[in-house]
Amino acid sequence: GAVVSQHPSRVICKSGTSVKIECRSLDFQATTMFWYRQFPKQSLMLMATSNEGSKATYEQGVEKDKFLINHASLTLSTLTVTSAHPEDSSFYICSAKQGRSGNTIYFGEGSWLTVV
Amino acid sequence: SQQGEEDPQALSIQEGENATMNCSYKTSINNLQWYRQNSGRGLVHLILIRSNEREKHSGRLRVTLDTSKKSSSLLITASRAADTASYFCATDFSGGYNKLIFGAGTRLAVHP
Repeated sequence: GAVVSQHPSRVICKSGTSVKIECRSLDFQATTMFWYRQFPKQSLMLMATSNEGSKATYEQGVEKDKFLINHASLTLSTLTVTSAHPEDSSFYICSAKQGRSGNTIYFGEGSWLTVV
Repeated sequence: SQQGEEDPQALSIQEGENATMNCSYKTSINNLQWYRQNSGRGLVHLILIRSNEREKHSGRLRVTLDTSKKSSSLLITASRAADTASYFCATDFSGGYNKLIFGAGTRLAVHP
């Protein structure tokens, strides 16, 4: 089956620094990728929709200047958490939609971010 | 913002019992999906039910969908300790171009 890979799986960074998380579709082209954030014991909250070659569409309440999303190729989207603070510590999960018209969505394994 | 609500928030049962989780949503959907998540891990896709379907089975899983009530249920029969996890419904809503909105989830604990 299709695989979506996230890297890193765990990262610890200092407060005030930026950290980048990668989401790759390994064996298919993903015109659309989605980024979610999940706090402990809570559900997944959609942050933004990333389309290849265009600007991401952010959900209400998500700061686009803080969570930079780049989808430069059909197999890679990146989420950069800028000037990270402890409250940004969370589990970040991406998903990728296969093809333009299909509704099959594949999820990555997630990335744990801890800001100290 | 999240579209779905799930109940119960937590469910504790004994092995062999059935577990039923419910999900409600607010807008028209293309399909509804159920996912499982073990603590601190990624999501495992369980089953997808389309808006024109009413019931679907997969192994010990049975999903129903009532679009008039905007609700769905997931039944796990003959539960096992390995079924212990969080279960989420996710709606692919009409006009949302395939972005999935997740419900609050149900934390299921199955005791041996």
